[in-house]
Amino acid sequence: EAGVTQFPSHSVIEKGQTVTLRCDPISGHDNLYWYRRVMGKEIKFLLHFVKESKQDESGMPNNRFLAERTGGTYSTLKVQPAELEDSGVYFCASSQFGAREKLFFGSGTQLSVL
Amino acid sequence: RKEVEQDPGPFNVPEGATVAFNCTYSNSASQSFFWYRQDCRKEPKLLMSVYSSGNEDGRFTAQLNRASQYISLLIRDSKLSDSATYLCVVFTGGFKTIFGAGTRLFVKA
Repeated sequence: EAGVTQFPSHSVIEKGQTVTLRCDPISGHDNLYWYRRVMGKEIKFLLHFVKESKQDESGMPNNRFLAERTGGTYSTLKVQPAELEDSGVYFCASSQFGAREKLFFGSGTQLSVL
Repeated sequence: RKEVEQDPGPFNVPEGATVAFNCTYSNSASQSFFWYRQDCRKEPKLLMSVYSSGNEDGRFTAQLNRASQYISLLIRDSKLSDSATYLCVVFTGGFKTIFGAGTRLFVKA
């Protein structure tokens, strides 16, 4: 069974540009989460989807971040325009409806904003 | 004060040693507790759930103390392959997940 996949694995962009990260959860997992780890800090929750609905986006830093999950399958996280402080590793995780807390993580996208 | 606090370590132990990590959380309404393991430059992976009654999986034992709001992880007979960062993870109400900053463990031959 395929795990959680994220694309791209690395992205280097300039300040002011737009970047879109993609996450494909494990098939059948209704819950999808986005997290971010800034260098030297702990992993921070960004938001959570159940199928296509946003359940909690209290961790989104500001309105430059937009997450979508069309059709309840894959999800995208767009940063527009990117700022220097957006650099970090963005992780996606998914879990089953009945075991929502048992998270399966993707390998992350390393975002560097120059 | 951070919502979930861990001793960052690093813990340097010889093979075969027993090592224990603690984690404290501030929100008394927290509902679920887990230990995750993260290898260098890799994604976190679930190690085990944590219950008040204790949870044992081979050489690993996890314990929750709700009254004192702390979680522990005990590793017996440490192996070189146990070297990693151990993350304490707390689910608060709803789906929000709070991660500790992690405790680094190095097991030496």
